[in-house]
Amino acid sequence: AQKITQTQPGMFVQEKEAVTLDCTYDTSDPSYGLFWYKQPSSGEMIFLIYQGSYDQQNATEGRYSLNFQKARKSANLVISASQLGDSAMYFCAMREGERGSTLGRLYFGRGTQLTVWP
Amino acid sequence: DSGVTQTPKHLITATGQRVTLRCSPRSGDLSVYWYQQSLDQGLQFLIHYYNGEERAKGNILERFSAQQFPDLHSELNLSSLELGDSALYFCASSPQAGTQYFGPGTRLLVL
Repeated sequence: AQKITQTQPGMFVQEKEAVTLDCTYDTSDPSYGLFWYKQPSSGEMIFLIYQGSYDQQNATEGRYSLNFQKARKSANLVISASQLGDSAMYFCAMREGERGSTLGRLYFGRGTQLTVWP
Repeated sequence: DSGVTQTPKHLITATGQRVTLRCSPRSGDLSVYWYQQSLDQGLQFLIHYYNGEERAKGNILERFSAQQFPDLHSELNLSSLELGDSALYFCASSPQAGTQYFGPGTRLLVL
């Protein structure tokens, strides 16, 4: 089974609007971490936001917030006030065994291509 | 700039050849991870090193090998290259159990 599922291959949003990128995950480990990365056309992977499975509150980083619904196993990324520079591929990722584990590897989804139009 | 450096940025080579990709982690990070990104496979974890020791292996082919040196930089060696090895290879580093920060990647094209 896929560890990370991103069902939206592409999303379009108008500048200054908010957009939600979906991510669902699958794990039996009670301890895990969820990440979002941005990959512009230049290719680099830019870390955006992190949510730990034991975190009580949703993570926020500037215009990015993570809508964490543990029971639904979803970790959607919300980008508020979209900008043209937000156009990129966005990847959701999970790391299992957060507390004291040395595993550390990330499982990635297939990504969502976000296009922001003026 | 993530603080992780990778060289070279681009590499073009022929089938059957061997190449070495180099990664320098962020200052103080002991963990180095290698990932491969291709159109058909997406982002795949290859291998993880922590302070010079191999910690986990993913979908790494036997033709591929890696190591982490005492100064913590890492090298990924790809040998007997095939057309299907063409991909973007990322190195990431993290402090223990921390966020992984990615380097700019090495684009490998095998002709």
